[in-house]
Amino acid sequence: GAGVSQSPSNKVTEKGKDVELRCDPISGHTALYWYRQSLGQGLEFLIYFQGNSAPDKSGLPSDRFSAERTGGSVSTLTIQRTQQEDSAVYLCASSLLGPNEKLFFGSGTQLSVL
Amino acid sequence: RKEVEQDPGPFNVPEGATVAFNCTYSNSASQSFFWYRQDCRKEPKLLMSVYSSGNEDGRFTAQLNRASQYISLLIRDSKLSDSATYLCVVNRGSYIPTFGRGTSLIVHP
Repeated sequence: GAGVSQSPSNKVTEKGKDVELRCDPISGHTALYWYRQSLGQGLEFLIYFQGNSAPDKSGLPSDRFSAERTGGSVSTLTIQRTQQEDSAVYLCASSLLGPNEKLFFGSGTQLSVL
Repeated sequence: RKEVEQDPGPFNVPEGATVAFNCTYSNSASQSFFWYRQDCRKEPKLLMSVYSSGNEDGRFTAQLNRASQYISLLIRDSKLSDSATYLCVVNRGSYIPTFGRGTSLIVHP
């Protein structure tokens, strides 16, 4: 399909384990965003990639969180030593040029930390 | 004060009703504005952009009031399928889009 693709759609892990979440943006989109959404809450910004520029990591809640974007396309969000409070839906979005445009979201990864 | 604020609702209205939501923003340098719709357990999807002159798309009308720093969304002739959470999004140039927490709409028969 031509939309933003995220995998896995669901991830259950044990506290203390590391997890990797993947996002494949729309082809040609230069901007990529990670957000997370806890149940009944709004979207919390995590990290933003724009082309080859250094990412904006200002939303990452702790140093257990990191992300990379390889070749300006696929992005991986890594959470180390997961905690129960990390349980949320992790949403990836992309836009063609930058933040002033509409965002296209993937269907998210539901992360559950037991 | 939060950068983007919305009344969480829920707004509970009968089919056919007209309902309006507001979203206030704190930064006067904000440049672009959007309304997104999010269905339960689904990802947000763009509903409409909000232009300075206001814009209309079928039963939906969006308006911007820069002087009072708010945007609005009006839904006419509500349908059961309009039940969702409506998120407003405010952008400041190259800054990250800021999402409101959303307003929940429930349309009942």
